[in-house]
Amino acid sequence: GAVVSQHPSWVICKSGTSVKIECRSLDFQATTMFWYRQFPKQSLMLMATSNEGSKATYEQGVEKDKFLINHASLTLSTLTVTSAHPEDSSFYICSARVNPGFSGANVLTFGAGSRLTVL
Amino acid sequence: QKEVEQNSGPLSVPEGAIASLNCTYSDRVSQSFFWYRQYSGKSPELIMSIYSNGDKEDGRFTAQLNKASQYVSLLIRDSQPSDSATYLCAVTQGAQKLVFGQGTRLTINP
Repeated sequence: GAVVSQHPSWVICKSGTSVKIECRSLDFQATTMFWYRQFPKQSLMLMATSNEGSKATYEQGVEKDKFLINHASLTLSTLTVTSAHPEDSSFYICSARVNPGFSGANVLTFGAGSRLTVL
Repeated sequence: QKEVEQNSGPLSVPEGAIASLNCTYSDRVSQSFFWYRQYSGKSPELIMSIYSNGDKEDGRFTAQLNKASQYVSLLIRDSQPSDSATYLCAVTQGAQKLVFGQGTRLTINP
């Protein structure tokens, strides 16, 4: 089946540094990927939609200059948390649609997630 | 009003019984509905998808959709301890966006 690989699975960084998270579709092409954030005991909140070859679409309230998204190829999207602060500590999960165009076009496959801790 | 609402639980069900999870949504034009299961510390995994009114069965799982009432549910028959997890209801909004409910924490008691 379709697999989305996410790396790193966990990262600890100092406040003020930047962290890059990679999301790869391993056996399919993903023109669109989605980045979610999940705080403890809360649901997934969509941060942005990553579009291959064009700018990402950010949800209201998400700072595009802080959360940089690059989708340079059909199999790779990256999320960079710039100048991270403790409040950015969260579980970041990427996802991609499988079989776009099929009636189940909105079925998302998720990566394993990246747990970010900012000290 | 939240776009997708679920009872956060916790919901406790004895092993072997039926677990019933409910979800309501606010966007009448939503076309696709999903149930994801999320174990603690893990990312969500798709359990069921449903697109038309009625019931859809897959093994021990049955999804039910009622678009007129803007209601979708998930039944788990013969509940097992391994079913203990948080269950997320997700509903499409527009062409691409998937909106999640807050999740219901389910515990199956042996």
